[in-house]
Amino acid sequence: GEQVEQLPSILRVQEGSSASINCSYEDSASNYFPWYKQEPGENPKLIIDIRSNMERKQIQELIVLLDKKAKRFSLHITDTQPGDSAMYFCAAPYGSSGNKLIFGIGTLLSVKP
Amino acid sequence: DPKIIQKPKYLVAVTGSEKILICEQYLGHNAMYWYRQSAKKPLEFMFSYSYQKLMDNQTASSRFQPQSSKKNHLDLQITALKPDDSATYFCASSQMGVQDTQYFGPGTRLLVL
Repeated sequence: GEQVEQLPSILRVQEGSSASINCSYEDSASNYFPWYKQEPGENPKLIIDIRSNMERKQIQELIVLLDKKAKRFSLHITDTQPGDSAMYFCAAPYGSSGNKLIFGIGTLLSVKP
Repeated sequence: DPKIIQKPKYLVAVTGSEKILICEQYLGHNAMYWYRQSAKKPLEFMFSYSYQKLMDNQTASSRFQPQSSKKNHLDLQITALKPDDSATYFCASSQMGVQDTQYFGPGTRLLVL
C-alpha cells in the first residue's frame, strides 16, 4: 500500500529535553523525506528534509536520520522549547513516478515549561 | 505579501451544491497540489499537477475536479457536496515536482451542512 506510519501520535516532553518522532515507509523507490510543522489554525510549514543520498541532516536543534535499508526516518528535536509545541508530519513520495506526497498521521508534540 | 492565495478563507455550503476553491501561486513554481485535512484524515493528498497537467491523484470521487486555467492557478471544483466533504483544503506548490519543497497556502475551510 501507500502508507507512511508515524509514531507516536502524542508526545509530551519537559522543556529542555529531546523529542523523537519515527516514521516508516513502504516504497523502496522513495528518495525524499520532508518534515512539516503545523500550528493550530495555520498551514503546514517545512522545517527540515532529507534525501536518500544522506543518512543524517541537522539544522540547529533539528536532526533527521534516514535508514534506507529499514525504510525508516526520524526527527529529533534537541533542547525542546514551548514554542516547539505543534503538530509534526512526516511524508514520503509514492506513485509510479513518485508524484504524490503521502503524509503520516501526525504527532502532537507538547513541551511543558 | 502572501505568495500562495486561496479563496475563500471560509466557505459554508449546503448538501448537494457545487463550489469552486481558488488557488493562485506567485512563487514561479511549475507544480501545484491539493490536499485535504480533517479530523479523520490529517493531511490527505488529492492531486498533483505539473505544467498544468495532472500527474497523480488519490481521490476516488469524480466530484472533485481540478481546473488549471493558467500555470500559476489550480482551482478545485467540488460538485454534489456532502457533509463528509467538510474539511480544510490546502493548495501547495513546488518548483518542479513532489521532491522539491512544497509550500502550502493558508487553506480554505469548508463546512457542508
